[in-house]
Amino acid sequence: GDSVTQTEGLVTVTEGLPVMLNCTYQTAYSDVAFFWYVQYLNEAPKLLLRSSTDNKRTEHQGFHATLHKSSSSFHLQKSSVQLSDSALYYCALSRGTGNYKYVFGAGTRLKVIA
Amino acid sequence: GPKVLQIPSHQIIDMGQMVTLNCDPVSNHLYFYWYKQILGQQMEFLVNFYNGKVMEKSKLFKDQFSVERPDGSYFTLKIQPTALEDSAVYFCASRFRGPNTEVFFGKGTRLTVV
Repeated sequence: GDSVTQTEGLVTVTEGLPVMLNCTYQTAYSDVAFFWYVQYLNEAPKLLLRSSTDNKRTEHQGFHATLHKSSSSFHLQKSSVQLSDSALYYCALSRGTGNYKYVFGAGTRLKVIA
Repeated sequence: GPKVLQIPSHQIIDMGQMVTLNCDPVSNHLYFYWYKQILGQQMEFLVNFYNGKVMEKSKLFKDQFSVERPDGSYFTLKIQPTALEDSAVYFCASRFRGPNTEVFFGKGTRLTVV
């Protein structure tokens, strides 16, 4: 079945430095879209960015990700993190057919320190 | 933007009692989901629902759990009877059709079973 694997656990980064949160996936389907959701403390997850186009960079709020189907990856990057970026980040995929299941990864907690 | 409303925001219930968590999804959405998040841990898929039917459920969706959306009203998660390990935040989510569509989450219902 479909699966999403993320960098495990906690990633701690000093403010102003770059970060990359890994996301790889497995799916047998071609009609699939990919997402990054962010969940701040005591809030609901919300969409950060999405893509379904191979090798096209997508950006939002200073974060960017490029879908690479050749390596089954959709890593999230930011060139200079801020304290306010501390949150839980989920990578997800969604099929466009069948039961439209939304598959989330386990989540990666990003902690930005001064 | 579109909002998913969850009622109540907090619920405290005695172990063994029944509880119903209510979700008012975005009005034209077709797919509905429940996720469970234990404090400090990742969000985990429980069930997805479409056209009046459960499409898929996880191992966390025990026999004591049920979902329904009678006549297009609230999408509900019922737990009967409740157990201590059911204490968690339950997030409802909904989406429209298509692989590239965003899932919208409610703010969650914090369920405490005592």
